[in-house]
Amino acid sequence: SQELEQSPQSLIVQEGKNLTINCTSSKTLYGLYWYKQKYGEGLIFLMMLQKGGEEKSHEKITAKLDEKKQQSSLHITASQPSHAGIYLCGADTRYSTLTFGKGTMLLVSP
Amino acid sequence: EAQVTQNPRYLITVTGKKLTVTCSQNMNHEYMSWYRQDPGLGLRQIYYSMNVEVTDKGDVPEGYKVSRKEKRNFPLILESPSPNQTSLYFCASSSVDRAYYYEQYFGPGTRLTVT
Repeated sequence: SQELEQSPQSLIVQEGKNLTINCTSSKTLYGLYWYKQKYGEGLIFLMMLQKGGEEKSHEKITAKLDEKKQQSSLHITASQPSHAGIYLCGADTRYSTLTFGKGTMLLVSP
Repeated sequence: EAQVTQNPRYLITVTGKKLTVTCSQNMNHEYMSWYRQDPGLGLRQIYYSMNVEVTDKGDVPEGYKVSRKEKRNFPLILESPSPNQTSLYFCASSSVDRAYYYEQYFGPGTRLTVT
């Protein structure tokens, strides 16, 4: 079965700093999804990547898919307290079924 | 407003007392799914449904039942809950198209404690 490994597991950054979260798959990536979760709450969809080399941005968050490395990266520019939360990557393992990484907890200090 | 709703949001129950967690979506999605989230284990799929009367096991189906009698509803049933089913549960839904991938919409979660 496909496994997704996220790194780092947790991250504390100072407000205004940039950061990157990685998601590496044990198998070929097809659909790759990024979600954000506030602790104990539901998941909020951020973006979806389908093709190798694809890059998408939403406000100050950019995600990229490297098909050859079977990896996706999520980059936040000039982090703000509102960026704090748990970031989860998910990948299609079979038709419409997602496998998730264990998440990266982000704290943004003032 | 497009949304997935779950009820109850919080539930404390005792071992062996049957319970149902309801899930409903208003987006006419074919696909619905249940996940549980546990510290250190992440999100794991329990059951999913591709359409009405079509359900299948996910990665951790033991101890759970589901049904899909209507397109909008996908209840999760715990016939005899045990403490190891204490978890945060999420329902999700999405469109289905073999040519495309669609985002999954998640409900707000149900925090279940079994004593």
